[in-house]
Amino acid sequence: EDQVTQSPEALRLQEGESSSLNCSYTVSGLRGLFWYRQDPGKGPEFLFTLYSAGEEKEKERLKATLTKKESFLHITAPKPEDSATYLCAVQAGDYKLSFGAGTTVTVRA
Amino acid sequence: EAGVTQFPSHSVIEKGQTVTLRCDPISGHDNLYWYRRVMGKEIKFLLHFVKESKQDESGMPNNRFLAERTGGTYSTLKVQPAELEDSGVYFCASSPHTGANVLTFGAGSRLTVL
Repeated sequence: EDQVTQSPEALRLQEGESSSLNCSYTVSGLRGLFWYRQDPGKGPEFLFTLYSAGEEKEKERLKATLTKKESFLHITAPKPEDSATYLCAVQAGDYKLSFGAGTTVTVRA
Repeated sequence: EAGVTQFPSHSVIEKGQTVTLRCDPISGHDNLYWYRRVMGKEIKFLLHFVKESKQDESGMPNNRFLAERTGGTYSTLKVQPAELEDSGVYFCASSPHTGANVLTFGAGSRLTVL
């Protein structure tokens, strides 16, 4: 069974204080690793898809990287509007997404 | 483009009652998925429709749950009779075709069973 473990569970940052979130995974036949952002009362919002080890993608202050066993989401110089729960999910051959429990990021001004 | 719409946003029912959740996917999206998040747990897959056909329902917890997608448009998820452990947030997601693996999620329907 696919397994996705995210750490830490919660992260409190000062505005401008860069940090990284970790997503460790075990999957048979990775089709893609996904990062989603979820705000309270809303559904997950797509951020990135990574397909192979060594791949990197960036969007504003976020950068996602992928190795054969884990993915990192780097937040550079975060702002309060970056506060959210960040979800990692893996997709195997059957197209189902297996999610981690998420990392809740709080950025204080 | 309208997003994925779910109704109701919140439902509170007594144990043993019936609830029906509805999902309207993005127009033209053949693939529709149901996921749910119970308290303190990660989001889990329930089932996958391709048009009106159930492609994969391996995540459905038991036969108290019934999902339909008549005509390949909107979908309903009925829980009958509801139990306490069914409480959680039910998310619907859609994608244009099976090879397109980026899902667009709705805001979810929160179900509270008392």
